[in-house]
Amino acid sequence: DAKTTQPPSMDCAEGRAANLPCNHSTISGNEYVYWYRQIHSQGPQYIIHGLKNNETNEMASLIITEDRKSSTLILPHATLRDTAVYYCIVRALTGGGNKLTFGTGTQLKVEL
Amino acid sequence: DGGITQSPKYLFRKEGQNVTLSCEQNLNHDAMYWYRQDPGQGLRLIYYSQIVNDFQKGDIAEGYSVSREKKESFPLTVTSAQKNPTAFYLCASSGDRDSKDTQYFGPGTRLTVL
Repeated sequence: DAKTTQPPSMDCAEGRAANLPCNHSTISGNEYVYWYRQIHSQGPQYIIHGLKNNETNEMASLIITEDRKSSTLILPHATLRDTAVYYCIVRALTGGGNKLTFGTGTQLKVEL
Repeated sequence: DGGITQSPKYLFRKEGQNVTLSCEQNLNHDAMYWYRQDPGQGLRLIYYSQIVNDFQKGDIAEGYSVSREKKESFPLTVTSAQKNPTAFYLCASSGDRDSKDTQYFGPGTRLTVL
């Protein structure tokens, strides 16, 4: 699986958009970009994933650059409950049965 | 509600004792996983199972054992052979028809060896 690089921490004001970047310059053509987050002392929560098109769901939007070497997770209106560590993971689909490799992620702190 | 449950949330054991962590899912997922997380670190895969009655070792299987007798259950036993068992243990499952590779996690069990 391709390696990812994320900033160690970011701050965001409540109600503003939180834009979390991820670099994955060695991504292969068959690898997807996944985002999870982990609130302190809880299990990781799946957010979104995509291949090359931008994706949106009820939680967030995922913007992938045309060359697929980087992506941005957007939380459109951050709340205090969005404070968590956000993980960007790049992996090929295998039909299930393989591990997720979590790096150190980005600690997002949402403040009043 | 569909989901993954892990019990107990906190577990204490004396050194030298075996202990079993429970993981149950009602998502009808085929694959289940056990991860370990140490403070400030990412998750490491212990064991995974792609189908009932079959399981595979992950990256750090030594000192652990699992069983998969039912589709919805994947218990993990931490044996006395595990040298540093104190950690946060996370169970996950995947296998939804639309997205077999998306893993969904339980709330975790924090194990402390006294």
